[in-house]
Amino acid sequence: EDQVTQSPEALRLQEGESSSLNCSYTVSGLRGLFWYRQDPGKGPEFLFTLYSAGEEKEKERLKATLTKKESFLHITAPKPEDSATYLCAVPDGSSNTGKLIFGQGTTLQVKP
Amino acid sequence: KAGVTQTPRYLIKTRGQQVTLSCSPISGHRSVSWYQQTPGQGLQFLFEYFSETQRNKGNFPGRFSGRQFSNSRSEMNVSTLELGDSALYLCASSLEGTSGNTIYFGEGSWLTVV
Repeated sequence: EDQVTQSPEALRLQEGESSSLNCSYTVSGLRGLFWYRQDPGKGPEFLFTLYSAGEEKEKERLKATLTKKESFLHITAPKPEDSATYLCAVPDGSSNTGKLIFGQGTTLQVKP
Repeated sequence: KAGVTQTPRYLIKTRGQQVTLSCSPISGHRSVSWYQQTPGQGLQFLFEYFSETQRNKGNFPGRFSGRQFSNSRSEMNVSTLELGDSALYLCASSLEGTSGNTIYFGEGSWLTVV
């Protein structure tokens, strides 16, 4: 069964304190791994899609990497505005449709 | 370009009633998916429509249904509402599904069942 597990569930950082979020996945035939950011009361905002092991993508203070079993979202010198829940998801491995399987998310709080 | 638009944003319904939520995908997108998000279960897939056909369905009771129109706009309906149906309902759109496509989400519809 396809599964996505994120850790930690919650992370508190001081402004400028770099860290990484983990997303482990089990899927039959990876067809991409998605990262989203979700602010309270809003829908998920697309950040990155990674397709193959070794691939990396960056956006401002965020960098996503992918291996054959997991993905990391590295946050360099975070600012309070980076506080949000970060979600990773993989397409359902059994069907080529619009179904994503999500992890439970990591809630990041960055204190000034 | 305009993003995924969901209406209404907030609504309160009484147990036993039914509700219809609407989603307008990004122009040109033909795949529309619906998700339920709750604090305990996270984001759970409800169903996906592509060119007016349901292509995939999640593990939800038959009270949850949907449809897609020829202009790709989609609606989902929940009948005989239960307290546990209180959640954020999210609509997502993409060109053709997950393969090689970016999937964009709307702001969601907050449903409270009392």
